[in-house]
Amino acid sequence: GQQLNQSPQSMFIQEGEDVSMNCTSSSIFNTWLWYKQDPGEGPVLLIALYKAGELTSNGRLTAQFGITRKDSFLNISASIPSDVGIYFCAGPGTYKYIFGTGTRLKVLA
Amino acid sequence: DVKVTQSSRYLVKRTGEKVFLECVQDMDHENMFWYRQDPGLGLRLIYFSYDVKMKEKGDIPEGYSVSREKKERFSLILESASTNQTSMYLCASSLLEDRGSYEQYFGPGTRLTVT
Repeated sequence: GQQLNQSPQSMFIQEGEDVSMNCTSSSIFNTWLWYKQDPGEGPVLLIALYKAGELTSNGRLTAQFGITRKDSFLNISASIPSDVGIYFCAGPGTYKYIFGTGTRLKVLA
Repeated sequence: DVKVTQSSRYLVKRTGEKVFLECVQDMDHENMFWYRQDPGLGLRLIYFSYDVKMKEKGDIPEGYSVSREKKERFSLILESASTNQTSMYLCASSLLEDRGSYEQYFGPGTRLTVT
């Protein structure tokens, strides 16, 4: 099925560093969702974006809805070991959600 | 807070067994979904339901059926389990789109192993 492209696919960072990842689509979305999934667990919704250009924060996480409505960005500031996991974006269609390929984050203490 | 619960975290079943996976949400969501997640394949939609007794096939419905008798509960049934159905199964729920929110919430997942 269709997937959203995320980059990078994976990244190792040092504890305390800031992290950026992005999600791109060939189609326009009216909503962008960002999730985090820990190993063996279900995805947890981090941030929902509803308006082009919108910047929304949730603690150390900040996400932006791209102006073109074809992309979105997630930033994590001052990363900590528990930020480890897979982050993925999602865009809702009619009853169906399109999911990103995921960015695997590993934090080195 | 939205809560989506799944009946089991881990299940081991034998080939040919009938398997029931249950999901309950407590936020009065109209939409409910069943996905399976496999390494390298991402999340794939099996079935979804937008109302009680209503169901729609997703991308990979073969070998599965669903039941939604109550708004809060959505069951996934494997009529005759096969080894290729070994996977992580995730339930999710969301409001109807015309209620202004597209936020989809997931349960903790059921890791099913068919031997």
